Parts: sequence; C-alpha cells; structure tokens
Amino acid sequence: DAMVIQNPRYQVTQFGKPVTLSCSQTLNHNVMYWYQQKSSQAPKLLFHYYDKDFNNEADTPDNFQSRRPNTSFCFLDIRSPGLGDAAMYLCATSLARLAKETQYFGPGTRLLVL
Amino acid sequence: TQLLEQSPQFLSIQEGENLTVYCNSSSVFSSLQWYRQEPGEGPVLLVTVVTGGEVKKLKRLTFQFGDARKDSSLHITAAQPGDTGLYLCAGVGQGGKLIFGQGTELSVKP
Repeated sequence: DAMVIQNPRYQVTQFGKPVTLSCSQTLNHNVMYWYQQKSSQAPKLLFHYYDKDFNNEADTPDNFQSRRPNTSFCFLDIRSPGLGDAAMYLCATSLARLAKETQYFGPGTRLLVL
Repeated sequence: TQLLEQSPQFLSIQEGENLTVYCNSSSVFSSLQWYRQEPGEGPVLLVTVVTGGEVKKLKRLTFQFGDARKDSSLHITAAQPGDTGLYLCAGVGQGGKLIFGQGTELSVKP
C-alpha cells in the first residue's frame, strides 16, 4: 500500500547530540512537511519542501534543518537537541500545495532527549 | 494571521453519551478538515468540508461547516470507547498549509 513511513518510531538522544529523523513516501507526492507535536497539543509546522524548494516557517529555530535528496525521502536534522525538543515529529505529504489537497501523515517519531 | 479556536480542550464522558466539538475562527477558510489521532500515531483524516453549510456524516460522526466558512463542528452520537483519541480541526490556509486548532482530547469510559 502507498504510504508515509517514518523511521525510527522512537528515538532517544542525549542533550546536544545531533539526531536525524527520516521520512519516506511511496505516494510520489510533490510536497513533504515536517511537524512538531508536543503532548496533547496540535501539530506545529516546522517547514516543508515543494519539490526541491525549501520553505521554512518564520518561527522555526535554526537548530532544525531539513534535507530532501529525492522525491521519496526527507530528513529532519536537529543539530543540538535540547530538553524542550522532546516531542513527536510528524512527516506528511500532499500532491500539491493546493487547498483541495489532502495531507497524509506518517505514524511519527517520538524523540526523547536525555 | 489565521487562527482556529477549538473547544473543549478535554472531554471525558461515559459510553453512550453524545458530544459536540467546536472549531471557530474569525477568518474564512476554503476548506476545513477533521483528524483523529490515537496515542503514538499520526493524525488520520476523517473528513474535509468545503461548502458553507455542508453537513457530512461518517457513521455516528456528523460534521458541519458554517455558512460563512469560519466555523465547524463535530458531533458524535452514542460515543464508544473506540472513539477515544485526540480530535483536531484544521483549516486549509494559503498555499495549502494546514492551520490546526488546539485539539480536543476525548476519553470515552465504558
């Protein structure tokens, strides 16, 4: 089945130690999003790629970076994780950046910072 | 800035009760989506409403989009423990960006 896959599902890292989360999709969608979601809160958009075009949200800290080497894969890099970065990180895709397009979410990666 | 106010934030009810979740904004949205998220999983799309005044039903769930396309509601009839989860409304803003409400954490006790 076509889907959005996130690995790993759980990631433990140490304070200040760089970590990379990955997302892949078999939907062949042009747009890939990264969201941060803290406990019982709504997802917060960090950035998105429209094809190779990177779009950062104004309030996304510099500590968060992203790479999209090809259509199928997108990575979230946290350069120096702090305790406040512990959260669920959700990847989503959509065919285009249009109002009518549905975003399909992956299962998320739960990040724990020790 | 487009914002969505979702209420209530937490809801704990007994099996068989009815409930309504509200999603309000001062902005007009081209469409509005409702998601359900189970613990440890990503949000799953339940429905998209597009036309002002539109009503959509999904088994025991009824979704309504306000006439002015600024608000929406989700009504669950005869709630079951399997309905437990985080319900999120999301307006589709500029460039297809989702603007989420704060979410409603629903707990249905048997």
